[in-house]
Amino acid sequence: KNEVEQSPQNLTAQEGEFITINCSYSVGISALHWLQQHPGGGIVSLFMLSSGKKKHGRLIATINIQEKHSSLHITASHPRDSAVYICAVSEGGSEKLVFGKGMKLTVNP
Amino acid sequence: NAGVTQTPKFQVLKTGQSMTLQCAQDMNHEYMSWYRQDPGMGLRLIHYSVGAGITDQGEVPNGYNVSRSTTEDFPLRLLSAAPSQTSVYFCASTNRGGVNTEAFFGQGTRLTVV
Repeated sequence: KNEVEQSPQNLTAQEGEFITINCSYSVGISALHWLQQHPGGGIVSLFMLSSGKKKHGRLIATINIQEKHSSLHITASHPRDSAVYICAVSEGGSEKLVFGKGMKLTVNP
Repeated sequence: NAGVTQTPKFQVLKTGQSMTLQCAQDMNHEYMSWYRQDPGMGLRLIHYSVGAGITDQGEVPNGYNVSRSTTEDFPLRLLSAAPSQTSVYFCASTNRGGVNTEAFFGQGTRLTVV
């Protein structure tokens, strides 16, 4: 079974800071997902990656398949970015997802 | 499109009661799944379905039943609620597989068993 590790587990930042959230996994995958969950809210898909890099607004996601590692970057962070960010992976054509424990981000004004 | 509709959003049950969490999707996805989310843990798979009439157990299936009579609906039944089932439950619907896998989640159900 794939083990998905996220670091750090918690992060507090000041508004405007550049933030990096890391995810590593143990077994080769077909896709990696970054998800966002606001307090008391549902889960929203931010990115799905199988290689390289994707950008959406202030969010950038990268993946290094050889190193089994992905990063989610937030530029010019804002208090509304405060949420739990979850990394999940799918393996070898399966729709099954294996989730990391999530990283709680707090951005203070 | 509504995406994934999950109800109810909140529920309080007494120990021993039964209930059904509803999940419906309008994206014609074959794969649907139920997860529970507990503090300090990642989402854990309860049951999943790869299509109408086909269901299988996930990581934590005990105390739960599912059925998949149509592509759209995938209800989760708690047979006899226990305090250990206090959790937040998410239904998800996933398209395809491999490099095009994308998951869509319901809004979650916060269940408390007293």
